[in-house]
Amino acid sequence: KQEVTQIPAALSVPEGENLVLNCSFTDSAIYNLQWFRQDPGKGLTSLLLIQSSQREQTSGRLNASLDKSSGRSTLYIAASQPGDSATYLCAVANAGNMLTFGGGTRLMVKP
Amino acid sequence: DAGITQSPRYKITETGRQVTLMCHQTWSHSYMFWYRQDLGHGLRLIYYSAAADITDKGEVPDGYVVSRSKTENFPLTLESATRSQTSVYFCASNRDIGEKLFFGSGTQLSVL
Repeated sequence: KQEVTQIPAALSVPEGENLVLNCSFTDSAIYNLQWFRQDPGKGLTSLLLIQSSQREQTSGRLNASLDKSSGRSTLYIAASQPGDSATYLCAVANAGNMLTFGGGTRLMVKP
Repeated sequence: DAGITQSPRYKITETGRQVTLMCHQTWSHSYMFWYRQDLGHGLRLIYYSAAADITDKGEVPDGYVVSRSKTENFPLTLESATRSQTSVYFCASNRDIGEKLFFGSGTQLSVL
């Protein structure tokens, strides 16, 4: 059974810092990996999707990398802003559309 | 441009009552999903559907029933609500396997 772990569970940084969120998974036979953002009381928003054949995806200040063989993904946020404060979740798909989610990293960016 | 909408936003019910949570999407996505989110357990898949009239169980299906008579609707019914079903329920959809997943805003359900 796939298990997805995110470390750290919570992170507080000053505005402007570059930061890295980590995601690890136990079964490397994945179909794809997604990073989501969740604001308090809201649903999840997909930020980046990396197919198993890809190594990274970029969107604006966000860059996600994937190392299937080691079972790891990182989400890099450049020049963090208070508006980036949210919970970030990664999810992996092993077969088709079935996602397994990590527990999330709660990020706070202080002005 | 409604996207994916869930109703109600909040629901309080009593143990033993039947409750139906609604999910409607305007994109004609083939796949739809129901998740529950709980502290300590994260997001867990309850049921999913690959198309109208095709549904299948996820990780935690016990006590829940789904139907999908129309592509755009995917209601989730708790046949006899229990306190352990107190949770935040999210509906999600995507167009095809391997594509981005889109979530609704969730329904916060409390079973007293």
